[in-house]
Amino acid sequence: QSVLTQPPSASGTPGQRVTLSCSGSNSNIGSNTVNWFQQLPGTAPKLLIYSDYRRPSGVPDRFSGSKSGTSASLAISGLLSEDESDYYCATWDDSLNGWVFGGGTKLTVL
Amino acid sequence: QVQLVQSGAEVRKPGASVKLSCKASGYIFNNYYMHWVRQAPGQGLEWMAVINPSGRSSTYAQKFQLRVTTTRDTSTSTVFMELSSLRSDDTAIYYCARGYTSGFYGTFFDYWGQGTLVTVSS
Repeated sequence: QSVLTQPPSASGTPGQRVTLSCSGSNSNIGSNTVNWFQQLPGTAPKLLIYSDYRRPSGVPDRFSGSKSGTSASLAISGLLSEDESDYYCATWDDSLNGWVFGGGTKLTVL
Repeated sequence: QVQLVQSGAEVRKPGASVKLSCKASGYIFNNYYMHWVRQAPGQGLEWMAVINPSGRSSTYAQKFQLRVTTTRDTSTSTVFMELSSLRSDDTAIYYCARGYTSGFYGTFFDYWGQGTLVTVSS
């Protein structure tokens, strides 16, 4: 059972906008910035969003992050088949004194 | 360019220990934290530990407190993670990830190693 809660699956059609959620608590999302990672099958995770909404160089602006209270979201607009991947949220937890990840959402592009 | 190259796959019996390495290049090694994250087959990501830039301090996830040790060798820009008393459920891919920390942006894992598969089986 992960400390951060993500829906196990999501889907969308090409060109659509999808939003992935990540729910936590005051000790983690409510107090610290959230990062999002994309993990393609058989590869290492890749940083997609840091500091709640910032994109590293090279990440398309189709990807956007937001946070409100103890929940965070990752939005993907103009969905492409190559976006089919696992997505994880992560942040520091002040109570656990460690990093916590969501269980991940598997995004399918129909 | 930043690269984190991890050691090769390992097979261990239950109760044994394993020591993994992560060699960094392309940046000033002593300026960054290094984290370890693992992923069991078909499962999600699980944070294990972080070692600070000087190597003098580490923080471990509560779950691994008694079994994990992280060290770093600045002469070779290499970080090590040793996990002891291995069990079958320690079978996983273990990743090292560079931690970028700033007061303004917080902390994030900006570069990852390719991962090392550790298989624990009798």
